[in-house]
Amino acid sequence: ETGVTQTPRHLVMGMTNKKSLKCEQHLGHNAMYWYKQSAKKPLELMFVYNFKEQTENNSVPSRFSPECPNSSHLFLHLHTLQPEDSALYLCASSQDGGRGNSPLHFGNGTRLTVT
Amino acid sequence: AQSVTQLDSHVSVSEGTPVLLRCNYSSSYSPSLFWYVQHPNKGLQLLLKYTSAATLVKGINGFEAEFKKSETSFHLTKPSAHMSDAAEYFCVVSDSSGTYKYIFGTGTRLKVLA
Repeated sequence: ETGVTQTPRHLVMGMTNKKSLKCEQHLGHNAMYWYKQSAKKPLELMFVYNFKEQTENNSVPSRFSPECPNSSHLFLHLHTLQPEDSALYLCASSQDGGRGNSPLHFGNGTRLTVT
Repeated sequence: AQSVTQLDSHVSVSEGTPVLLRCNYSSSYSPSLFWYVQHPNKGLQLLLKYTSAATLVKGINGFEAEFKKSETSFHLTKPSAHMSDAAEYFCVVSDSSGTYKYIFGTGTRLKVLA
């Protein structure tokens, strides 16, 4: 049990579908993150939320839309994705976001396949 | 600017022999450094962290790392490899500039031979 829970674990969707990824953290952290992990590429930061406010959007295409209703929940809404968006999407949280000395805690990820 | 370099993309060791995974970093501020492990189809699990306290850091599963400022290194070691250590390992640097920037290395895949 990681303290950060992601659902679903696996998702297959067509390019015209709309789906959402969900992340919940039970650690009392104030910052939450979405990362994309593709084969043979470094981990890519997508979005950061601190106290529910978006503080980072790392030039992510608009077909990815994040939502953070409170400090414990984070969503990633997906629509009209491309096959190259297939990847492992990782959610993470950290305490006292911004000071840089608190570690990230990761969920187990959602394996997304776009057909 | 921060950066982190993991010097080996793949490392193979025999079970019971020492493990050394190398990481070099650069940072304009006082860095915090982390090592994570990722098993297949899992998230990243924190092994250990350095945040300006003791330079020799002990982590979980028998791993440790030494912060060497003069060499800008933070290598991960374990005295005796176990089959269950086979995974991908990531070195991460962040600073205290308040920009939520965690810079990840490209990973080292550790293979443990029976």
